Amino acid sequence: EPEVTQTPSHQVTQMGQEVILRCVPISNHLYFYWYRQILGQKVEFLVSFYNNEISEKSEIFDDQFSVERPDGSNFTLKIRSTKLEDSAMYFCASSEWADIRGDTQYFGPGTRLTVL
Amino acid sequence: QKEVEQNSGPLSVPEGAIASLNCTYSDRGSQSFFWYRQYSGKSPELIMSIYSNGDKEDGRFTAQLNKASQYVSLLIRDSQPSDSATYLCAVLNNNAGNMLTFGGGTRLMVKP
Repeated sequence: EPEVTQTPSHQVTQMGQEVILRCVPISNHLYFYWYRQILGQKVEFLVSFYNNEISEKSEIFDDQFSVERPDGSNFTLKIRSTKLEDSAMYFCASSEWADIRGDTQYFGPGTRLTVL
Repeated sequence: QKEVEQNSGPLSVPEGAIASLNCTYSDRGSQSFFWYRQYSGKSPELIMSIYSNGDKEDGRFTAQLNKASQYVSLLIRDSQPSDSATYLCAVLNNNAGNMLTFGGGTRLMVKP
């Protein structure tokens, strides 16, 4: 069964460093997403991406964040200058399309980001 | 601010019993609703989607939707210890880039 994959599974970085989290969405899916979950808190939407551009972004997704689809398979989240409060699990998700019954989002296993 | 509310639990049920999980949402225009299961330290795993008022059954799981009351529920029949997890209700905003808004989750404990 096709699945979303993410690398790395765990990333440790120093405050102020740049990190890139990588995702390979399900191959025939057209919509891609990033969510994050701070330990003990809700899963929060960061950004959605379709047709090589951002469809929607949340207040969390400020100028420190960017997303890119550098080739036909990868989808990346970059945090330019990490802060302590960026420590969280970051989940990538994808969906086939946006219409009802094609809009189910499937999540990858996540990347645990620890900022020291 | 669109909100999704769940009782955090824990909800404790004996093995073989029915577990009932509830969720309310604030956006009356929502059309797509999802239940995910999340084991500790893992990612959300889809259980079911529901789009129309009424019941939808899939194996031991039944999702129920009442749009007039802005209420979604999940029933788990014949609960097993392996069902012990946090159950997340999520509501899709089709008008905002397919953003999913999650509830805080209900922790279910199934005791042998």
